[in-house]
Amino acid sequence: NAGVTQTPKFQVLKTGQSMTLQCAQDMNHNSMYWYRQDPGMGLRLIYYSASEGTTDKGEVPNGYNVSRLNKREFSLRLESAAPSQTSVYFCACSTVLDQPQHFGDGTRLSIL
Amino acid sequence: SQQGEEDPQALSIQEGENATMNCSYKTSINNLQWYRQNSGRGLVHLILIRSNEREKHSGRLRVTLDTSKKSSSLLITASRAADTASYFCATQETSGSRLTFGEGTQLTVNP
Repeated sequence: NAGVTQTPKFQVLKTGQSMTLQCAQDMNHNSMYWYRQDPGMGLRLIYYSASEGTTDKGEVPNGYNVSRLNKREFSLRLESAAPSQTSVYFCACSTVLDQPQHFGDGTRLSIL
Repeated sequence: SQQGEEDPQALSIQEGENATMNCSYKTSINNLQWYRQNSGRGLVHLILIRSNEREKHSGRLRVTLDTSKKSSSLLITASRAADTASYFCATQETSGSRLTFGEGTQLTVNP
């Protein structure tokens, strides 16, 4: 019963490097999301995918790109990492947009 | 900008006591959800309450919603040390729109 699996769990990057965060869900859910969590800021939505084949911007999309590879997988890419992108990144999924979301355990990303 | 704001930011109680956390929001909503986050883990969904509902229960959890005051409360009865976590409210303004999370309440239950 894996639910939502995120890889890697931890990563340190240098400014300017690129990286892809992976997310896979085995819940057969249609909608998937990427959030970042910063101290004192709660969770902020970066991008989401309402269903396979669609992606939309969230509250803080700048500096990120996403790919909904298939129904199970939704990846987040940082093309040129910046220190301001140091954060904990969470992937989530739900049956449809209006339903409760199920979260992975996060990727802790530090950019030096 | 944050839609939901939790109050208090931190709460420390003894095991067996009740814990009440509040959430206020600014615009009309389709639904409001409460989530729990244990340290180092992802969020776990607790309860979803729709705008036309006033109260919902799940085990030791009770959620109320007052749309006239734009506020919600989460009550945890007979708290346990295992309830120690951060609790977040999240609002959805319209059907199909994104969730907006508050900054959370850190609950500590002392054994």
